[in-house]
Amino acid sequence: AQSVAQPEDQVNVAEGNPLTVKCTYSVSGNPYLFWYVQYPNRGLQFLLKYITGDNLVKGSYGFEAEFNKSQTSFHLKKPSALVSDSALYFCAVLRGSYIPTFGRGTSLIVHP
Amino acid sequence: GAGVSQTPSNKVTEKGKYVELRCDPISGHTALYWYRQSLGQGPEFLIYFQGTGAADDSGLPNDRFFAVRPEGSVSTLKIQRTERGDSAVYLCASSFWGDTSTDTQYFGPGTRLTVL
Repeated sequence: AQSVAQPEDQVNVAEGNPLTVKCTYSVSGNPYLFWYVQYPNRGLQFLLKYITGDNLVKGSYGFEAEFNKSQTSFHLKKPSALVSDSALYFCAVLRGSYIPTFGRGTSLIVHP
Repeated sequence: GAGVSQTPSNKVTEKGKYVELRCDPISGHTALYWYRQSLGQGPEFLIYFQGTGAADDSGLPNDRFFAVRPEGSVSTLKIQRTERGDSAVYLCASSFWGDTSTDTQYFGPGTRLTVL
């Protein structure tokens, strides 16, 4: 079965510092991986996805993620965090061609 | 607006009652999805519509849950004989074609259901 794990419930980082939100996956075959962000009282927003090709994927709001096949990881990164990046982040893997299976989420808190 | 909308935003009901949750997808999107998000968890898939038909309802937890999309646009998620364990945020999403590897799902803000 396809699954993802987000080992950290919460990540704290100071504004201006680089941030990493971790995700590892377990799939059979080639993984299709996604990151979504959820702001309070708002719907999930798509950030980026890895389907094939370059292991470094660039997405919205300056975020990027690195696909690492040997470590089965797809960590979300940003070089310089903003307070406005504080939100809930979900990693997901595609089951079939249309159903994402989500991780439990990681709360990112960026301190001024 | 141009996004996915869901009504009501909040619904409080009593155990055993019937509820309906509505989703208005982005105009022109053929694919529509329902998810349930419990506290501290990621969204869990419930059902996927392609046009008017339910292409995959494998995520519906039991026969108290049912969803329709009669004209291929608005969808209603129906829950009979609600239980306290049904309390969650119900999310709706839509996408243009339905192939999430090439398509983007756009999510609504959700309906928070509380069963007392």
